[in-house]
Amino acid sequence: AQSVTQPDIHITVSEGASLELRCNYSYGATPYLFWYVQSPGQGLQLLLKYFSGDTLVQGIKGFEAEFKRSQSSFNLRKPSVHWSDAAEYFCAVGPILTGGGNKLTFGTGTQLKVEL
Amino acid sequence: DSGVTQTPKHLITATGQRVTLRCSPRSGDLSVYWYQQSLDQGLQFLIQYYNGEERAKGNILERFSAQQFPDLHSELNLSSLELGDSALYFCASSPSAQETQYFGPGTRLLVL
Repeated sequence: AQSVTQPDIHITVSEGASLELRCNYSYGATPYLFWYVQSPGQGLQLLLKYFSGDTLVQGIKGFEAEFKRSQSSFNLRKPSVHWSDAAEYFCAVGPILTGGGNKLTFGTGTQLKVEL
Repeated sequence: DSGVTQTPKHLITATGQRVTLRCSPRSGDLSVYWYQQSLDQGLQFLIQYYNGEERAKGNILERFSAQQFPDLHSELNLSSLELGDSALYFCASSPSAQETQYFGPGTRLLVL
């Protein structure tokens, strides 16, 4: 079965510093990979996705992620963090199921705190 | 704003009761998904509907059921509620059965 691991439960960075959030997945084939962000009291907003092709994908709000098949990783990066980036970040894998269905399997999330 | 709407935003009820959560997908989306987010289980997939038909099922309890109507909105019915059912319930939608999912703001359920 597919699984997603986000090893960092909490991360604190200073505003303006760079950020990398780690994500490792387990899946038998090439997965569809996603990063979502959840602000307090809000729903999940899609930051970026990887389906195929270029392994470096660009998303909204200045985020990017790199798919590394050899490491089964899909780490999220941002060169300069803003205070408004404080939120919880979820990595997800979405295989195509038999019968044409779909579901997302989420990691446990990384809570990002930004120090001013 | 993703375009997915969920009502109500908050729901407080008692154990043993039944509630219905409603979801309207983005305009043009045919597929609807339900997820549960709780502190102990994290984000868990419950069920997917595509154009009115069940397409995929996750760890959904027998006390829970869902359906998608001809106008494509969906309802998640939770019955015989227990304290452990307290959670944030998300609906998501996508254009087809296998595309990117866009999430609504969620319904926060508190069972007392």
